Amino acid sequence: AQSVTQLDSHVSVSEGTPVLLRCNYSSSYSPSLFWYVQHPNKGLQLLLKYTSAATLVKGINGFEAEFKKSETSFHLTKPSAHMSDAAEYFCVVSSGRGYSTLTFGKGTMLLVSP
Amino acid sequence: EPEVTQTPSHQVTQMGQEVILRCVPISNHLYFYWYRQILGQKVEFLVSFYNNEISEKSEIFDDQFSVERPDGSNFTLKIRSTKLEDSAMYFCASSELAAGELFFGEGSRLTVL
Repeated sequence: AQSVTQLDSHVSVSEGTPVLLRCNYSSSYSPSLFWYVQHPNKGLQLLLKYTSAATLVKGINGFEAEFKKSETSFHLTKPSAHMSDAAEYFCVVSSGRGYSTLTFGKGTMLLVSP
Repeated sequence: EPEVTQTPSHQVTQMGQEVILRCVPISNHLYFYWYRQILGQKVEFLVSFYNNEISEKSEIFDDQFSVERPDGSNFTLKIRSTKLEDSAMYFCASSELAAGELFFGEGSRLTVL
């Protein structure tokens, strides 16, 4: 069985300040981990993925995430928030048997103020 | 840029009615999926489909649900007799490979009254 916990339902930052969205996971297998973003009235877009290669993963739009097995964490960070980053972010784990059965976290809404 | 498209964007229906949600996956993709998100809850896997048959389904995907690829482009989710608890956002996704990146549509919001 696998699960994902996103510790914050909402995170508020000011434009230009760092972003940290927290995610912890549990998985019986060696997991693949993802972050997806959903802008209002848009589909889910893949930000980045970890699939047992480098533990520090770089994604689109300046986001990155670090896989820490000892802490079972996969937190998403960005050095400097932009207004366009305001969206909902989902941490996702796959069973490792393929991408099809993804388990989503509940999501974190990122609010960016000027 | 190729994208997954879903119709309708929003559908309101009466309890007990049949609903069909439609999806046009990216044209060279072979693997298709439905996920749903009940308001305030997590996005949940429903079913995956490959080579004209279901490859995996969750316990949510009971006998009232069915999927079909009626032609070369559409992928549909049918709910035979809707219940109030079927109200949710339904996301279609497709991928080129079995372990490839999933590309999601914008979702179809179903409201059952």
